[in-house]
Amino acid sequence: AQKITQTQPGMFVQEKEAVTLDCTYDTSDPSYGLFWYKQPSSGEMIFLIYQGSYDQQNATEGRYSLNFQKARKSANLVISASQLGDSAMYFCAMREIYNQGGKLIFGQGTELSVKP
Amino acid sequence: NAGVTQTPKFQVLKTGQSMTLQCAQDMNHNSMYWYRQDPGMGLRLIYYSASEGTTDKGEVPNGYNVSRLNKREFSLRLESAAPSQTSVYFCASRSRDRELAYNSPLHFGNGTRLTVT
Repeated sequence: AQKITQTQPGMFVQEKEAVTLDCTYDTSDPSYGLFWYKQPSSGEMIFLIYQGSYDQQNATEGRYSLNFQKARKSANLVISASQLGDSAMYFCAMREIYNQGGKLIFGQGTELSVKP
Repeated sequence: NAGVTQTPKFQVLKTGQSMTLQCAQDMNHNSMYWYRQDPGMGLRLIYYSASEGTTDKGEVPNGYNVSRLNKREFSLRLESAAPSQTSVYFCASRSRDRELAYNSPLHFGNGTRLTVT
């Protein structure tokens, strides 16, 4: 069963506008963490933001925020005031606490293109 | 500030050849991981090492072996390469300062692009 689902293979956004990248997850573990990574065309994986399952508030890091809806099992990434440099692949990932090793399970990714 | 270093960056193999992908981290991290990235499939875990001296299979271990040589180094070996192993391979590491710490992100190397013909 797919544990992390990103239903948008590609997205376009106008520069300076906000964009939401969707992520839904499936787990029976009450303790888990959700992560977002950015992968620009150069290929490196860049950690953006983290949300814990018990966190009371939605995570924010600069222009990135996480719209965490626990009951719906969704953890959407919101990028405000998009910039050309935001064009990249974005991956949602989950860590379940019960699993050994702290491994992350990744979604398929969403390719974001920012138009000038 | 090297972080996680992978070698080589690019490699072309013929079917049946063997090779070892090297990974080293200088962040004193306990846990290390090997992922492969294929278009439309995200990153899939091949093997991981939760701590020095231990290794475990991930989601797609067939055709691979690993060695956790010491705390710094975690290598991935393809004994007999197949075209299905054409992929981008990422090594990652993570701190485990506290036993139940689950908010630490993975730190990734820059990847190895492998083509098997």
